[in-house]
Amino acid sequence: NAGVTQTPKFQVLKTGQSMTLQCAQDMNHEYMSWYRQDPGMGLRLIHYSVGAGITDQGEVPNGYNVSRSTTEDFPLRLLSAAPSQTSVYFCASSRALTGSHEQYFGPGTRLTVT
Amino acid sequence: GENVEQHPSTLSVQEGDSAVIKCTYSDSASNYFPWYKQELGKRPQLIIDIRSNVGEKKDQRIAVTLNKTAKHFSLHITETQPEDSAVYFCAASQGTSYDKVIFGPGTSLSVIP
Repeated sequence: NAGVTQTPKFQVLKTGQSMTLQCAQDMNHEYMSWYRQDPGMGLRLIHYSVGAGITDQGEVPNGYNVSRSTTEDFPLRLLSAAPSQTSVYFCASSRALTGSHEQYFGPGTRLTVT
Repeated sequence: GENVEQHPSTLSVQEGDSAVIKCTYSDSASNYFPWYKQELGKRPQLIIDIRSNVGEKKDQRIAVTLNKTAKHFSLHITETQPEDSAVYFCAASQGTSYDKVIFGPGTSLSVIP
C-alpha cells in the first residue's frame, strides 16, 4: 500500500495563476480532507468529502475548489493564486463508516505564491 | 461551528519530567478527540484518541483525559524522552461518518536532555 500520496512536493506560483494539487489514496477510505498548515495556526480544514460525489466546505474554503469523482482521488484546485495561499497543504483520508476515525496524512505539498 | 483552543503553544521540559497539554472545544455535540504528533518536516500521525463515553485512556507513557462537562481534554506524557520533541495537535469532531475534524493550533514540545 502506498497510503496517501500527494503531488507535487513543492510548487512556486505567480499571483493569479491556477493549479491543482493532487491527492490519492489506495486504502478504500470513504473520508478525505484537505488542510493547510501555517505557523502558529495549526491544521485548518479547507474542504472535505465523505464519499465519491459528496464534498463540503471546511473552515477556510475561499479560493479553493474540490471534486471527488472517485473514491481514490481528491484534487484541490487553486483558482487564482494569492500570496495568502502560501502554505503547506496536507491531504488526509480515513474510514468513515465503521471502525477507527484515524486520519492518514499524505507527505504534504509546500506551495509558495509570489 | 467547532472551535478548538490549545495551551500552551510552546513547552520545554527536562528529560524524564512530565508534560501536559490542554485543549478546550466549543461544540457540545463533539464526542471524538484525537491527538496527533508531527515531527519536524514530517506528516502528522495519530498517537491516541478518546471518545466521550470514556474519561481517561492510557497507552504506555501517554494518556488522555476528557471532561465533557467542562468541554476540555488533556494529553499527559510521562517520563519524557528527546524523541517526544515534536508539535502536538489536539482535534475534535462529532465522530460520525459525516463530520469534519477540527484541529487546535498545536503545541511545540521540546524535551531537553
